[in-house]
Amino acid sequence: GNSVTQMEGPVTLSEEAFLTINCTYTATGYPSLFWYVQYPGEGLQLLLKATKADDKGSNKGFEATYRKETTSFHLEKGSVQVSDSAVYFCALSPAPSDYKLSFGAGTTVTVRA
Amino acid sequence: ETGVTQSPTHLIKTRGQQVTLRCSSQSGHNTVSWYQQALGQGPQFIFQYYREEENGRGNFPPRFSGLQFPNYSSELNVNALELDDSALYLCASSSLTDTQYFGPGTRLTVL
Repeated sequence: GNSVTQMEGPVTLSEEAFLTINCTYTATGYPSLFWYVQYPGEGLQLLLKATKADDKGSNKGFEATYRKETTSFHLEKGSVQVSDSAVYFCALSPAPSDYKLSFGAGTTVTVRA
Repeated sequence: ETGVTQSPTHLIKTRGQQVTLRCSSQSGHNTVSWYQQALGQGPQFIFQYYREEENGRGNFPPRFSGLQFPNYSSELNVNALELDDSALYLCASSSLTDTQYFGPGTRLTVL
């Protein structure tokens, strides 16, 4: 079946530090990959996505590259801000046209000023 | 453009009771998906509705059921509540083959 494994948290960083959150997946076929973010007290928001191998998704300074050879979709940001403190979820859908999402457990990121 | 809304925000029930959660989809969207998010976990797919028909179901028992209405709003019904049903229930709307947009969720507590 389809599953997502992401790096356990919590992760605590200082402002302007580099952030990486690892995500690997197991899937048959050609899944689409996503990163969602959940700010305190809010619902999930799509951060970025990639629908095929070697695609790079990017938004708000965050980037992730769909690596089929390593079945990975690691999230990176070069310089975090306090406002990036949130829970980050890696997710996949089985195919670009099938949006039944499978999520990882989430990684809590806290950025200190 | 109105986003996805859910009601109620919070709900407290006791074991064995039944509950109905509601979701209004974003304008132009015909697909609604429901997810259960237990504390400290990622969301788990419950089921999806497309044009009033169930379009896929996750690993949840039949006491979890749903409806979608002609205006594409949706309900999630849970019968015979158990303590483990305590969770944040998330609704997401989309066009069938497009990105899902999530509502703020309903926090259900079962005592």
